[in-house]
Amino acid sequence: AQKITQTQPGMFVQEKEAVTLDCTYDTSDPSYGLFWYKQPSSGEMIFLIYQGSYDQQNATEGRYSLNFQKARKSANLVISASQLGDSAMYFCAMREGGYQKVTFGTGTKLQVIP
Amino acid sequence: DAGVIQSPRHEVTEMGQEVTLRCKPISGHDYLFWYRQTMMRGLELLIYFNNNVPIDDSGMPEDRFSAKMPNASFSTLKIQPSEPRDSAVYFCASTKTGPIGSPLHFGNGTRLTVT
Repeated sequence: AQKITQTQPGMFVQEKEAVTLDCTYDTSDPSYGLFWYKQPSSGEMIFLIYQGSYDQQNATEGRYSLNFQKARKSANLVISASQLGDSAMYFCAMREGGYQKVTFGTGTKLQVIP
Repeated sequence: DAGVIQSPRHEVTEMGQEVTLRCKPISGHDYLFWYRQTMMRGLELLIYFNNNVPIDDSGMPEDRFSAKMPNASFSTLKIQPSEPRDSAVYFCASTKTGPIGSPLHFGNGTRLTVT
């Protein structure tokens, strides 16, 4: 069974608009962490934001926020005021408590349209 | 502070040849991971080390793949003999023991093409 599911292979968003990238996860461990990474066309993997399973509030980092719905096991990334430089692949990932390994989803390709 | 350093950035080789990919983790990080990225399979964890000791190599595809970490500042991933289906981007990442929220820090990857 997939631990991380990203159902949107590709998305388009108009510049300056907000966009939500979906991520659902599967774990029975009460302690886990969720991450989002960005991979631009140049190929590097850039860490964006983190949400812990025990965190009471949704994480935010600048224009990035994480819509964490624990009961639904979803951790959607919201990018506000999209910029052309946001065009990239975005990966959701999870680390389960007690382990260091991180499992990645298949990614969503976001294209920002001028 | 230098990030994770991988070499080479690009490698083109012929089927049957030995390929060695190299990684220098961030100083002070005690975990090192090797991932492979392909269009078909996405990002797959191949193996990871803690304090230079392999912890989980269940993702290594077959015996042609081997990885070593002789010291805290160097790791290699070797493919012998290489096959065209090994063509992919190979990433090394490191992190240090700490809160569950400690992110992985990735190198820029090695793009391997096996002809």
